Amino acid sequence: AQSVTQLDSHVSVSEGTPVLLRCNYSSSYSPSLFWYVQHPNKGLQLLLKYTSAATLVKGINGFEAEFKKSETSFHLTKPSAHMSDAAEYFCVVSLTGGGNKLTFGTGTQLKVEL
Amino acid sequence: EADIYQTPRYLVIGTGKKITLECSQTMGHDKMYWYQQDPGMELHLIHYSYGVNSTEKGDLSSESTVSRIRTEHFPLTLESARPSHTSQYLCASMGTSGGLNTGELFFGEGSRLTVL
Repeated sequence: AQSVTQLDSHVSVSEGTPVLLRCNYSSSYSPSLFWYVQHPNKGLQLLLKYTSAATLVKGINGFEAEFKKSETSFHLTKPSAHMSDAAEYFCVVSLTGGGNKLTFGTGTQLKVEL
Repeated sequence: EADIYQTPRYLVIGTGKKITLECSQTMGHDKMYWYQQDPGMELHLIHYSYGVNSTEKGDLSSESTVSRIRTEHFPLTLESARPSHTSQYLCASMGTSGGLNTGELFFGEGSRLTVL
């Protein structure tokens, strides 16, 4: 069994300040973990993924995430928020090897203010 | 940029009409998925396919049906639309590398359906 919990449904930051979107997971096996971003009226786009290689994963648009097995976390961070980062972010867990079962978090809406 | 396309992007129809949402991908992916997403809400898997002639129901019960006659095409059909079907429908396919599934999903831009 696997599950994913996004701890914040809404996060608001000022432009230029750091972003932290939290994600905790549970999985019976070694998981693959993903972060996707969804801009309004668009599909989801992959930001980054962890598949049992380096625990610190760098993605597009300056985002990165660190896999912490001891804390069962995969938090998404960015040093400096940009207005264009305002979107919905989804944390996703799947069994290693890209199994059919993908579990989505409920999403975190990121708002970036001037 | 992912090569997966959904049409129509927006559709407003009356109750009782039959509709088909189209989804096509040119990446040769075997696994494809349909998700339903209400505004500001999580995604719910309604259908998936392992490949040609394979279709399975997802976690969320849906009155829609799907077919997979060709690898690149995975249409979703509602025989008689109702207001409760109003939602956004997202199609996706799973990436492969060296013949193995990567777990990464490529999404279309979605079809927003409104049933009056």
